[in-house]
Amino acid sequence: GEDVEQSLFLSVREGDSSVINCTYTDSSSTYLYWYKQEPGAGLQLLTYIFSNMDMKQDQRLTVLLNKKDKHLSLRIADTQTGDSAIYFCAEDNYGQNFVFGPGTRLSVLP
Amino acid sequence: NAGVMQNPRHLVRRRGQEARLRCSPMKGHSHVYWYRQLPEEGLKFMVYLQKENIIDESGMPKERFSAEFPKEGPSILRIQQVVRGDSAAYFCASSPGTGGAFFGQGTRLTVV
Repeated sequence: GEDVEQSLFLSVREGDSSVINCTYTDSSSTYLYWYKQEPGAGLQLLTYIFSNMDMKQDQRLTVLLNKKDKHLSLRIADTQTGDSAIYFCAEDNYGQNFVFGPGTRLSVLP
Repeated sequence: NAGVMQNPRHLVRRRGQEARLRCSPMKGHSHVYWYRQLPEEGLKFMVYLQKENIIDESGMPKERFSAEFPKEGPSILRIQQVVRGDSAAYFCASSPGTGGAFFGQGTRLTVV
């Protein structure tokens, strides 16, 4: 079955880079996603990468995909206190049944 | 283009009552997903629907839970005879088919 794993916690200092890692098992995933959830809120789609790409950059966000190792990462440059949230990695299979990881709780220290 | 709308945002039910959660997808989206999030936990898939069809309900308990997405109107997640363990945040997401799912703000169900 499909499974997505992430480390549960990450702490960084304000201004540093954050790297959140994710591994997945479904090699037929079409897209892989990163979502952000702030306390008491829904999930915000941050970015996504098509499975035949290996990198995507969007302002402070860089997504790296290693399809061979089924490893996805999200790098946030110049991390700010407003970036403190839970970050979910997710995969899909042609749009069916998005599978989410457990989420990585990012804490940004002043 | 309004985002995914869920209502109510907060719902309190006594044990044994019914809970009805509504989700209006984004305009032009015909795919709807329901997820449950327990406190301090990740998202668990419940059901995936397209208009008038249940595509995958493998994550939904067989008893007391049902979902629909009629031709007209919002998608409804119905929980009958609620128990304390049903207390959670229920998120709906919609998608045009590819490129990601967009989430609503969730309905927080509390069973007392």
